[in-house]
Amino acid sequence: EVQLLESGGGLVQPGESLRLSCAASGFTFRNYAMSWVRQAPGKGLEWVSAISGSGGNTYYSDSVKGRFTISRDNSKNTLYLQMNSLRAEDTALYYCAKGSAPEYKSLDYWGQGTLVTVSS
Amino acid sequence: EIVLTQSPGTLSLSPGERATLSCRASQSVSSSYLSWYQQKPGQAPRLLIYGASSRATGIPDRFSGSGSGTDFTLTISRLEPEDFAVYYCQQYGSAQWTFGQGTKVEIK
Repeated sequence: EVQLLESGGGLVQPGESLRLSCAASGFTFRNYAMSWVRQAPGKGLEWVSAISGSGGNTYYSDSVKGRFTISRDNSKNTLYLQMNSLRAEDTALYYCAKGSAPEYKSLDYWGQGTLVTVSS
Repeated sequence: EIVLTQSPGTLSLSPGERATLSCRASQSVSSSYLSWYQQKPGQAPRLLIYGASSRATGIPDRFSGSGSGTDFTLTISRLEPEDFAVYYCQQYGSAQWTFGQGTKVEIK
């Protein structure tokens, strides 16, 4: 059974940093791309970042490029999101999601999310 | 960046009725890269449809997807009580994933 468990969320002040983690199990982690998707309170889904199975390719939305860094440790089956220079508009529930077969680019399994609140 | 526009914003229907949800892209999308998700309150999204028309594992056959180019549709043939939720379309292109703003299917 695929399981994705996010952690690391919390309350931070604007300008501060936070690192999110996503522990994966139930599939061969290194074989799949992974993504972070966020959802601001009461709003829709926003894709944030993605990383290839090997970690060699990373992708970012324009809203976080230059501030967030995605990475993975395939020996630990863990995905990370380093978030720097946080802003109030980064407040959201952050989901970790597993990429499907590469020819479809969908997100076939999701964690339950970790909440990030940026406020002074 | 490709923008996805979903309509209607809210669909008010009764159980047993047919739901038709639209997703329109600002430019052509590869059908392989168009997906649909369902999200219920307090839950993570769930993949329903990938490749525009293929049902994900465990998804009932009352859910179907169709379309190509810039116009895609999710159809729920007969609404069950558990189908009342928010639905999102999503596309991949040029190393970016984007979601539509969502359609809420509510009980009339």
